[in-house]
Amino acid sequence: DGGITQSPKYLFRKEGQNVTLSCEQNLNHDAMYWYRQDPGQGLRLIYYSQIVNDFQKGDIAEGYSVSREKKESFPLTVTSAQKNPTAFYLCASSGRAGTGELFFGEGSRLTVL
Amino acid sequence: SQQGEEDPQALSIQEGENATMNCSYKTSINNLQWYRQNSGRGLVHLILIRSNEREKHSGRLRVTLDTSKKSSSLLITASRAADTASYFCATYSGGYQKVTFGTGTKLQVIP
Repeated sequence: DGGITQSPKYLFRKEGQNVTLSCEQNLNHDAMYWYRQDPGQGLRLIYYSQIVNDFQKGDIAEGYSVSREKKESFPLTVTSAQKNPTAFYLCASSGRAGTGELFFGEGSRLTVL
Repeated sequence: SQQGEEDPQALSIQEGENATMNCSYKTSINNLQWYRQNSGRGLVHLILIRSNEREKHSGRLRVTLDTSKKSSSLLITASRAADTASYFCATYSGGYQKVTFGTGTKLQVIP
């Protein structure tokens, strides 16, 4: 079945460590997004990519990095520069031109110990 | 930045009742979308209404859009316990613009 796969579902990190969250899609979508969700809050955009080898910062990009070397993959690295990284991270993709309709993965929950 | 503000933040109703959630936004849009999120899961797209539409239906869902007031509402009729979830509105301004989410309404349907 087509969809978006995020891994790992749960991740624990010590302070000062970088971690990379994986996002893979087989929907043949051009656009991919990373959102952060804090408890009881809405979604805030970290980075998005409309095409391979190109990406733009969202509203809260500081302390995060991404790459888009393949259409199917959009990994997110949470660096040690991110001051409060404990959160639920959601990856999404969009393929319907001009609608912005998003398809989401099941999320990755990162906890900093 | 959060584009949308949703009201109420939380809503508790009995099974069979209707649930209404409201969303206000700040800038011009191409369309407005509603998503559902079960606890600890990803979001699922429910319905999209374009800026030139005023009302749209899908099953037990009814969405209205008032662009003059920059507001939208989602009505879930004959609610079921399985409708318990958080509901988010999201706005899209077209082209390569990003999709921006509201703060969400947490709905509890009591059996």
